[in-house]
Amino acid sequence: QQQVKQSPQSLIVQKGGISIINCAYENTAFDYFPWYQQFPGKGPALLIAIRPDVSEKKEGRFTISFNKSAKQFSLHIMDSQPGDSATYFCAAGMGGTSYGKLTFGQGTILTVHP
Amino acid sequence: DAGVIQSPRHEVTEMGQEVTLRCKPISGHDYLFWYRQTMMRGLELLIYFNNNVPIDDSGMPEDRFSAKMPNASFSTLKIQPSEPRDSAVYFCASSLSGRARYEQFFGPGTRLTVL
Repeated sequence: QQQVKQSPQSLIVQKGGISIINCAYENTAFDYFPWYQQFPGKGPALLIAIRPDVSEKKEGRFTISFNKSAKQFSLHIMDSQPGDSATYFCAAGMGGTSYGKLTFGQGTILTVHP
Repeated sequence: DAGVIQSPRHEVTEMGQEVTLRCKPISGHDYLFWYRQTMMRGLELLIYFNNNVPIDDSGMPEDRFSAKMPNASFSTLKIQPSEPRDSAVYFCASSLSGRARYEQFFGPGTRLTVL
């Protein structure tokens, strides 16, 4: 129940295209859903995050869509650029005894071709 | 702010040796996390601390692993004895409490190779 399942494992997109990464969870106690971006040789960094009381959040070219009833959320990257090539992780957090802890998905390696 | 600092950045050691990884969190952050990243298992949480106290060590793979946080500005992850299957990138991360608690700031990682 603590798992967050992420797909696809890898994704290749042409410059200007839309990249879509999906995640699903089981535990309805999760109350925070961030996405992290990791470049080679670096640690992950927070990209964008959403709480379950909203269905969508947009920051520039990055959008999170959240479907509470389906227990799914996704990251959309519009007008994908070669500089977006990185590994993307979805994650989920909750309060209570797991306060502050994040459960990460397996990651998606995104490659954007020029 | 210098961000989360980890040392060493790379460590190569032989099986059976003791390995100590070090982390300095961002000043003022009261949560500290240790993660391990491999291709096979992804990003795994090993242990995390709140105000220097270990909160959850359920991710520590076995007794060969131990972590300490003697003060708010320093933490260590020790592996003794090390084994080839411990080869991975180890990340330290820190965060604030409250609504900002889920924004974790990661260090650059330590790439560990056990021969």
